[in-house]
Amino acid sequence: EVHLVESGGVVVQPGGSLRLACAASGFSFADYTMHWVRQAPGRRLEWVSLITWDGARTEYRHSVRGRFTISRDNSKNSLYLQLNSLRIEDTALYYCAKGDNQYGFDYWGQGTLVTVSS
Amino acid sequence: DIVLTQTPLSLSVTPGQPASISCKSSQSLLHSDGETYLYWYLQKPGQSPLLLMYEVSNRFSGVPDRFSGSGSGTDFTLRISRVEAEDVGIYYCMQSLYLPYTFGQGTKLEIK
Repeated sequence: EVHLVESGGVVVQPGGSLRLACAASGFSFADYTMHWVRQAPGRRLEWVSLITWDGARTEYRHSVRGRFTISRDNSKNSLYLQLNSLRIEDTALYYCAKGDNQYGFDYWGQGTLVTVSS
Repeated sequence: DIVLTQTPLSLSVTPGQPASISCKSSQSLLHSDGETYLYWYLQKPGQSPLLLMYEVSNRFSGVPDRFSGSGSGTDFTLRISRVEAEDVGIYYCMQSLYLPYTFGQGTKLEIK
C-alpha cells in the first residue's frame, strides 16, 4: 500500500525559511516523478513543483521559482521542498503526490501546514 | 497558464439521484500522442484528494462504476449515476498537459 507522509510544516515569519519532507513507502520510489501541491485556506489546489525520478529535471510554478527548491534522496525514499524568502501568500497545506504518466497524481499524502505570519 | 472552469460551484443532490459536473479548459488538452490529460479528484472533508478518473474517462482502481467521465478537447464532464452519502466533498478537475499543472476551482457536492 502506498504511503506518503509529509512533515516540517511550522509557523514562520515572512522572509523565513523551512524544509518540508515527504517519506514514501509501498512503491518503488526511485522510479517515479514526485510533486508538491499546495492548498491555501478556502482556495483551489495549486501545483508547486516536480522532480523526475533521477532528479535530473525540476520544474516550479512561476510564483515560487528562485525561492523554493525541490530535491529527493532515493536511498531514503524521501522527497524534500526547501522554502526560502517565504511570503504571506505561501501559507497553505502542502501535499506531496506521486506522479504517474498515465494516472496523473495517483496518491497523495495527508499534507503539512505552513503558516507564514508575523 | 491553462484555466479550468468548473460548473456548478456547488450542488445539493438527493441520494440515488444523478449529478453532473462540467470542466472547461482554456485550451485543448489533447496531446499529440492521442491522449487527453484531464483528471478528476475528490477531496472528502478533512482528507487529501483521491484520484477518481484519469485521461478523461478511465476509472482509477477501486472507484465505483457509478462514476463516469466524458469529453474531449476543452469540454469535460464527470457524472455520478446515483449519488451516495459517501460522495460528499469537493470535486476538482486537473490538467497535466501544460506546465504549470492546473486545477479547477472545485465543485462542492452536498447531500440533501
